[in-house]
Amino acid sequence: KNEVEQSPQNLTAQEGEFITINCSYSVGISALHWLQQHPGGGIVSLFMLSSGKKKHGRLIATINIQEKHSSLHITASHPRDSAVYICAVPPDRGSRLTFGEGTQLTVNP
Amino acid sequence: DTAVSQTPKYLVTQMGNDKSIKCEQNLGHDTMYWYKQDSKKFLKIMFSYNNKELIINETVPNRFSPKSPDKAHLNLHINSLELGDSAVYFCASSQLADTQYFGPGTRLTVL
Repeated sequence: KNEVEQSPQNLTAQEGEFITINCSYSVGISALHWLQQHPGGGIVSLFMLSSGKKKHGRLIATINIQEKHSSLHITASHPRDSAVYICAVPPDRGSRLTFGEGTQLTVNP
Repeated sequence: DTAVSQTPKYLVTQMGNDKSIKCEQNLGHDTMYWYKQDSKKFLKIMFSYNNKELIINETVPNRFSPKSPDKAHLNLHINSLELGDSAVYFCASSQLADTQYFGPGTRLTVL
């Protein structure tokens, strides 16, 4: 069993819909990362959070450390949001990351 | 200016060859990483290198060797390439455990 589990694996939405991607982890962590991998392959860090909630534009990330769970929300989704969203945690006190398998999001116009 | 750069972007080679992938970051970060993304798009840490301390993932074959000439560079050398080494390799950097910045990836194809 992977230390980081994401759901759903695939998600198709219509433009404008509210999107939620979930991440559960089994290790104690100092922070959790949300990454976005574009269709062209590039990876961008969206958020790093250790408690509460962070917001950037239409993206919101929340984390519950006690429940070992995080969610990534996208409001008013747009076709350009189509990408793979990856949750990652540092499995030990170092900085290297362990990744979830990713959620493939497709937003149709 | 590109923050984390990798060369080459594509690498096609024969089984048994030795090849290197170069990574450079201009962010002044102390820590650099190599990750492998397999055909199922799953990312996995290979190495992290922080101020001359190398942390190795024990599942990585010793045919893979990272080399860091200085803090801004972490190159990946691969000996005796095998078909299973075909993947996309990503370099990344961070300041300690802060946000990681990824390179564009190198797609390695072993024939």
